Amino acid sequence: QKEVEQNSGPLSVPEGAIASLNCTYSDRGSQSFFWYRQYSGKSPELIMSIYSNGDKEDGRFTAQLNKASQYVSLLIRDSQPSDSATYLCAVPDGGYNKLIFGAGTRLAVHP
Amino acid sequence: EAQVTQNPRYLITVTGKKLTVTCSQNMNHEYMSWYRQDPGLGLRQIYYSMNVEVTDKGDVPEGYKVSRKEKRNFPLILESPSPNQTSLYFCASSPRRDRGLSYLNNEQFFGPGTRLTVL
Repeated sequence: QKEVEQNSGPLSVPEGAIASLNCTYSDRGSQSFFWYRQYSGKSPELIMSIYSNGDKEDGRFTAQLNKASQYVSLLIRDSQPSDSATYLCAVPDGGYNKLIFGAGTRLAVHP
Repeated sequence: EAQVTQNPRYLITVTGKKLTVTCSQNMNHEYMSWYRQDPGLGLRQIYYSMNVEVTDKGDVPEGYKVSRKEKRNFPLILESPSPNQTSLYFCASSPRRDRGLSYLNNEQFFGPGTRLTVL
């Protein structure tokens, strides 16, 4: 059974700072990785996907992947209070329709 | 608007009373899944479907049934609910990608969730 590990937090950062969220995974053969954002009581929303080693940037979000270390991270630049949410890391488990989710890291951005 | 819908959004019921949670998507997606989310345990897959009449168990299928008679609908059935099925349930769908983009198959789009309480 594949595993995805995240620090549950909460991670507290001041407004305008960089928030760094980390995720490790157990299956060295994993090819794709997803970051979802989930506001309290709401459904997960896909914000980033990454398939190759290195960095992928989208606006204020940067995903970083290091397959050798089995480590994927999400950086949020210029953090805003509206970024306060739980961030879920997910890795496919073989088939086309199954994701293994980490338990999520709660981010709190304070003014 | 492209979306996944679920009904009901909230449900309180009693042990043993059969219930169905509906899920519908208007994006013509082939793949659909049901997840449950519990504090500290994250999202766990209950059942999934790769197309009409094709379903399979996920990680926590006990106590649940599904059907996929139409491409757009994927209802979750609890024949005899028990208190340990109290949870937040999400339906999700994803498209089948062309061969060169098959790694994108797991980009799933979630419904708004159904909060179920079984007394």
